[in-house]
Amino acid sequence: SYELTQLPSVSVSPGQTASITCSGDKLGDKYACWYQQKPGQSPVLVIYQDNKRPSGIPERFSGSNSGNTATLTISGTQAMDEGDYYCQAWDSSTSVVFGGGTKLTVL
Amino acid sequence: EVQLEESGGGLVQPGGSLRLSCAASGFTFSIYWMSWVRQAPGKGLEWVANIKQDGSDRLYVDSVKGRFTISRDNAKNSLFLQMNSLRAEDTAVYYCAREMLAAAGPGFDYWGQGTLVTVSS
Repeated sequence: SYELTQLPSVSVSPGQTASITCSGDKLGDKYACWYQQKPGQSPVLVIYQDNKRPSGIPERFSGSNSGNTATLTISGTQAMDEGDYYCQAWDSSTSVVFGGGTKLTVL
Repeated sequence: EVQLEESGGGLVQPGGSLRLSCAASGFTFSIYWMSWVRQAPGKGLEWVANIKQDGSDRLYVDSVKGRFTISRDNAKNSLFLQMNSLRAEDTAVYYCAREMLAAAGPGFDYWGQGTLVTVSS
């Protein structure tokens, strides 16, 4: 079955750039998307089709996907960006697959 | 405004059954694939099942195959998840989620607030 791997946690200082990675076999051949989830809330889509932002998502969120790794980049990270981030892709063997999630701490 | 509202969660004993519902509004329900995604307490997201626009195709994660059934009623803009033979490991918040249209690639652009299912004796 297809798997996506994320680091459990990432820390970043306010105003700096946060990079959250997601690894999977030939992930670059698939579309990846990303969700932000804050405590007690439902997930919110922040990036789809590797690098597109849904309406209402700030420009500081961007994405890329190549080789075996997709990356979510948050430029000028703000305290409000703290939360859990999940990558997701679709694979013919597993259908929908999520990464294990990365907890972003802004300190 | 797109809205998804789940209901039907609760406490159930191991081996029991529960039926979740999701009421959709604010969009043309019948043109979207729909999914159920769950999140065990303190854990990550896990996709459970999805269903094609007309209900003719349904997919499940291996751990629920043969126990859960996803269905929909396009006339009532509703999505369902019938859960049988429930196990402790099915304990989770269950989200109803709308899949993006095919041209946009995979992804869930709207989620409900979730309904908690607790399987315990």
